[in-house]
Amino acid sequence: QKEVEQNSGPLSVPEGAIASLNCTYSDRGSQSFFWYRQYSGKSPELIMSIYSNGDKEDGRFTAQLNKASQYVSLLIRDSQPSDSATYLCAVDAGNMLTFGGGTRLMVKP
Amino acid sequence: GAVVSQHPSWVICKSGTSVKIECRSLDFQATTMFWYRQFPKQSLMLMATSNEGSKATYEQGVEKDKFLINHASLTLSTLTVTSAHPEDSSFYICSADSGSDTQYFGPGTRLTVL
Repeated sequence: QKEVEQNSGPLSVPEGAIASLNCTYSDRGSQSFFWYRQYSGKSPELIMSIYSNGDKEDGRFTAQLNKASQYVSLLIRDSQPSDSATYLCAVDAGNMLTFGGGTRLMVKP
Repeated sequence: GAVVSQHPSWVICKSGTSVKIECRSLDFQATTMFWYRQFPKQSLMLMATSNEGSKATYEQGVEKDKFLINHASLTLSTLTVTSAHPEDSSFYICSADSGSDTQYFGPGTRLTVL
């Protein structure tokens, strides 16, 4: 069974710090990787997608992928209280997403 | 771009009634739509994959006769919860594949069955 693992947290960081969110996956055939942000009571919102090894930066967000280690991470620089949410890692191995359980991030002013 | 809508956003119904939830891709055509359910403080659980013009593929443990899915066009999929009971109360979220292996989520429908 395809699995995506995340630390449930909560991960607490002070405002302005870097938040590091990690995710591992079991299916070596996975090709596409996504990070979604979900605020309480809301649906997930796509933040980043990454398809090849290395880093991909978009504003304050950087996604990192290491297929050999089956590991994908999300870095949030200059964390803001508005970044407080649950971050879901999702892995696509053939037109279907498998979600991790999510990591709850708390950014304290 | 890539906007997905759901209707209604909130519904309360009596036990035994049926509820229909609509999912629309507003600015793109989606050959594949997905239906998820999320209970409080839990992650998303995929219920079914809906392909336009064909029968939906249900995940293990999801009753296809209870959760009826119709994907009538490239922009509309519906989920009907038949004979709803309190244990069906949940947050139902649809997503649509834009064709680039990226899923965009609707805002969700919160169902409360009394």
